Amino acid sequence: DAKTTQPNSMESNEEEPVHLPCNHSTISGTDYIHWYRQLPSQGPEYVIHGLTSNVNNRMASLAIAEDRKSSTLILHRATLRDAAVYYCIPTGSSNTGKLIFGQGTTLQVKP
Amino acid sequence: ETGVTQSPTHLIKTRGQQVTLRCSSQSGHNTVSWYQQALGQGPQFIFQYYREEENGRGNFPPRFSGLQFPNYSSELNVNALELDDSALYLCASSLNLDTGELFFGEGSRLTVL
Repeated sequence: DAKTTQPNSMESNEEEPVHLPCNHSTISGTDYIHWYRQLPSQGPEYVIHGLTSNVNNRMASLAIAEDRKSSTLILHRATLRDAAVYYCIPTGSSNTGKLIFGQGTTLQVKP
Repeated sequence: ETGVTQSPTHLIKTRGQQVTLRCSSQSGHNTVSWYQQALGQGPQFIFQYYREEENGRGNFPPRFSGLQFPNYSSELNVNALELDDSALYLCASSLNLDTGELFFGEGSRLTVL
C-alpha cells in the first residue's frame, strides 16, 4: 500500500480557495487517488478521485502531478461547511472498498 | 434513495461481553465494508463483504466477525470485548467491487468499560 504524507492542519478564510497537498511517492502505476473528507460527528464522505488527468466535480478539483507522486485537492471557495478532516488515499482498482486512511489534514475555515 | 444507516448509534458494554452492530446498505449496493475509528485517528479497515462472502480482511483478530444478508444488509460482531475496542464503527457500502465511491454511515459509537 502506498504511503501518504499530508500536513496535519491547514487554515483558510471563508470564500477563499484552498489547496490541500498530498505526497504519495510510492504509489503504484495503477492506483487511483481518492480523496475523502470527514465532517465532525459524521462518517467519511467521498470527494473526488482520479488516475492521471486532473478531475473536476461539483465539490472540488483534483490536480495530479505528472509523475503521480503528489496531488492537490482544490476547494475553489471554502465555506464553513468545508471544515473537516481531508484524507488522500491511493487505492488499487480492485480493492476500492479497502481504503487505507492516514491521519489526514484538518482544515479550519475562518469566517 | 436512502443512505447507509447504522444501529445502534451509541452503546456501552463491559469487558468480555459481545456486541452486534447493524448496517443497512444504500439501495442497490452489493458491497459493504466495516471500519473502526479510534478517537483522533483515521478509520481502519476491518473487512469487506461482497454478495454475502467475505472479500478481504484487515489486521483484526478473529473475534471480529461479520455477516452480509441476501438483502445486502450487514452485521459486525465483536466477541470478548476489550477496552481498546472502544471506538466509532463505520459501515460503508458501494455499488460494486470496483467503484471508487464508498458511502459511509454515521457510525455506531461503542464504549467498553
